[in-house]
Amino acid sequence: GAVVSQHPSWVICKSGTSVKIECRSLDFQATTMFWYRQFPKQSLMLMATSNEGSKATYEQGVEKDKFLINHASLTLSTLTVTSAHPEDSSFYICSARFSQGGGETQYFGPGTRLLVL
Amino acid sequence: KQEVTQIPAALSVPEGENLVLNCSFTDSAIYNLQWFRQDPGKGLTSLLLIQSSQREQTSGRLNASLDKSSGRSTLYIAASQPGDSATYLCAAPDTGGFKTIFGAGTRLFVKA
Repeated sequence: GAVVSQHPSWVICKSGTSVKIECRSLDFQATTMFWYRQFPKQSLMLMATSNEGSKATYEQGVEKDKFLINHASLTLSTLTVTSAHPEDSSFYICSARFSQGGGETQYFGPGTRLLVL
Repeated sequence: KQEVTQIPAALSVPEGENLVLNCSFTDSAIYNLQWFRQDPGKGLTSLLLIQSSQREQTSGRLNASLDKSSGRSTLYIAASQPGDSATYLCAAPDTGGFKTIFGAGTRLFVKA
């Protein structure tokens, strides 16, 4: 099956710094990728939809200036958490949309755990 | 707007028991439904993907059914093992089919 990778798998940073997370589709091209956030013992919540070559679409309540998304190529989307604070500590998961034979599937990355001190 | 609900929220069973996890969704105009497993602190592992034209999918001891008319899906786990302990998430497309909406999950604990 299709593979999606994320880097880094975990990161610890100081409050006020910015952190970039990469999401790559390894063996297929994805015009659309999605970024989710998961707090402890909660389900995944969609943050934004990343569209190749255009601006991301953010869900209600997600600050676009804080969570910068860049989908520069058909295989790479990045999420930058700017001026991170402890409340941004979470598990961030990306997914890539794969279309084939009239059907569509999302493949998920392994996630990035962010801890802001 | 699609809403996905999973019951029970948590389940503890002795090893060897057969069990059923339930998922319901409000918008039945879905093109597929997916079940995932998530171990603590880990990412998602896709278990089963059921297309809208299918009624069920099987993989080993897992069987997932889909009833679009009633807005329900079930995940059946046969002969449960301690290694099955994890959180099981159900996910369905949002109204319009573009985004994926997740249920809150069922936390399963299988006792040895």
